[in-house]
Amino acid sequence: GAVVSQHPSWVICKSGTSVKIECRSLDFQATTMFWYRQFPKQSLMLMATSNEGSKATYEQGVEKDKFLINHASLTLSTLTVTSAHPEDSSFYICSAREAREVQPQHFGDGTRLSIL
Amino acid sequence: GDSVTQMEGPVTLSEEAFLTINCTYTATGYPSLFWYVQYPGEGLQLLLKATKADDKGSNKGFEATYRKETTSFHLEKGSVQVSDSAVYFCALTQGAQKLVFGQGTRLTINP
Repeated sequence: GAVVSQHPSWVICKSGTSVKIECRSLDFQATTMFWYRQFPKQSLMLMATSNEGSKATYEQGVEKDKFLINHASLTLSTLTVTSAHPEDSSFYICSAREAREVQPQHFGDGTRLSIL
Repeated sequence: GDSVTQMEGPVTLSEEAFLTINCTYTATGYPSLFWYVQYPGEGLQLLLKATKADDKGSNKGFEATYRKETTSFHLEKGSVQVSDSAVYFCALTQGAQKLVFGQGTRLTINP
């Protein structure tokens, strides 16, 4: 149980385009979802926390207008990287927390984003 | 603020060797502690957890005990396998707050 599906797993696109990444909880309801960014051989950096039906809470230094997060339902959150540039290339990982328990977080398999 | 410190990697061992990855934490209150594992190109999988002092989390032969007196949560396995090669993250959370991760320890097991 507690499966989180992230899509796409890998995307390559041209500079200036926008990219949407989906994060779905397949067998549970997730009131809270998290978006992380991971640089090669480094730990995860929390970008934002999203709660179903409300605006996301962004960590310090993360551009809200650059990384748009929507959590419209209890099973889906999306991260849109707007006007992506090569420096946005990274591994993005989402996680979700079940409504009926405080922890732990269940992670998706990540999305590797490459901006040319 | 809260923080987690892991032993620096990479760690390289031979198959069937004993594994210890050290993890210490700094936190106000009484955090819950976790070990996550990340295989190449994948997200994180919860390996084990402990929610209060003296709890022992265990899974797939791995164990870690929540030691409040030493603020530690060291990961151990008696006999590692090649398939255990991955990056291991120690983490904590306080209630409904966000996870705080250590820097990760890359483990390579040679046959």
